[in-house]
Amino acid sequence: AQTVTQSQPEMSVQEAETVTLSCTYDTSENNYYLFWYKQPPSRQMILVIRQEAYKQQNATENRFSVNFQKAAKSFSLKISDSQLGDTAMYFCASDLMEYGNKLVFGAGTILRVKS
Amino acid sequence: DTGVSQDPRHKITKRGQNVTFRCDPISEHNRLYWYRQTLGQGPEFLTYFQNEAQLEKSRLLSDRFSAERPKGSFSTLEIQRTEQGDSAMYLCASGATYNEQFFGPGTRLTVL
Repeated sequence: AQTVTQSQPEMSVQEAETVTLSCTYDTSENNYYLFWYKQPPSRQMILVIRQEAYKQQNATENRFSVNFQKAAKSFSLKISDSQLGDTAMYFCASDLMEYGNKLVFGAGTILRVKS
Repeated sequence: DTGVSQDPRHKITKRGQNVTFRCDPISEHNRLYWYRQTLGQGPEFLTYFQNEAQLEKSRLLSDRFSAERPKGSFSTLEIQRTEQGDSAMYLCASGATYNEQFFGPGTRLTVL
């Protein structure tokens, strides 16, 4: 079974600083996608960034970037220049391409950005 | 607003009652997913539609749960004889391709 583990239940960061959220996963698939989703207190899930497993280059979206280590099955999210609006629950997820790409989520990390 | 919409946003019901939730995906998205999220946890997959065909159901989806997507447009999720353990946020997501899922705001169900 595919599993996703987020070992940091809560993280805090000062505004304008950088923070890294950790995620590890386990899969026997060779081709898959990895995602980071953000869920602000309003609870609408928003896609932050995605990574294709067969691409070695780490994905980047503005202040958000990932460190994808396929052999180690690690997929961390780095947020640069943290902003108050980044305060949210962050979920790491992987998909099962064989099964309609349903997502398997980790338990989440609460990130609090402090002014 | 062209995002995924869900109705109602909140539902309070008594144990044993039936409830039905609706999801309207982004127009022309042929993939539609239902997830359940309990407090402090990540969403868990319930079921998946491609167009009108329900292609997969999780073991979490007991016989009391049923989902439909007539004509491949909106979808409904019905829970019969609700139990307190059904209290959760029910999330719908849609996508046009295999590498994207856009989530709706969810329906929060409270079973008293």
